[in-house]
Amino acid sequence: SAVISQKPSRDICQRGTSLTIQCQVDSQVTMMFWYRQQPGQSLTLIATANQGSEATYESGFVIDKFPISRPNLTFSTLTVSNMSPEDSSIYLCSVERPLAGETDTQYFGPGTRLTVL
Amino acid sequence: QKEVEQNSGPLSVPEGAIASLNCTYSDRVSQSFFWYRQYSGKSPELIMSIYSNGDKEDGRFTAQLNKASQYVSLLIRDSQPSDSATYLCAVNEYGNKLVFGAGTILRVKS
Repeated sequence: SAVISQKPSRDICQRGTSLTIQCQVDSQVTMMFWYRQQPGQSLTLIATANQGSEATYESGFVIDKFPISRPNLTFSTLTVSNMSPEDSSIYLCSVERPLAGETDTQYFGPGTRLTVL
Repeated sequence: QKEVEQNSGPLSVPEGAIASLNCTYSDRVSQSFFWYRQYSGKSPELIMSIYSNGDKEDGRFTAQLNKASQYVSLLIRDSQPSDSATYLCAVNEYGNKLVFGAGTILRVKS
């Protein structure tokens, strides 16, 4: 598997502000992903964070709202900009760590629980 | 719209019984399938992955895949109260994107 940490683990923010979430992995990985899990819902992919290039965003998510950095193969950040209460969610990073004989297996960090007032 | 469907539950089973969790998917070209377990307030934890038709066993867990029917299931034998959680089915689309089902809540009663 992989050891993944996220900071902060939780935060309460005021609307209109921004929060940057950090994701650190214990070893180099090619693929890192950011997901959102809204209250009572399943996970939705926000974007794929590529090292050395722009992140690839899914439909409904834009760079201005969720800018992502990927400065190296062990670290990524997701910023939630100009927050509104609708952004209250758990934000999760994941990494792809293929097992022997298997591809594209993803492991998740502990998540960041964001509440926007 | 590619979809992954699961019964939301809750599925209640007595301790020691077999729990059967089901998932259907719409994208015929999907090749990789995963089951995650998520305890309340925690992040998803990988239980099983399956890539080929048939059964794959790991301890008390068995994943079953039928690509012709676009169906994947997870069996949990000798269910324990600690198995009580939400089980998420995930299907890998092109480009390593995971599409998740809404999850099935499992409750194991002691």
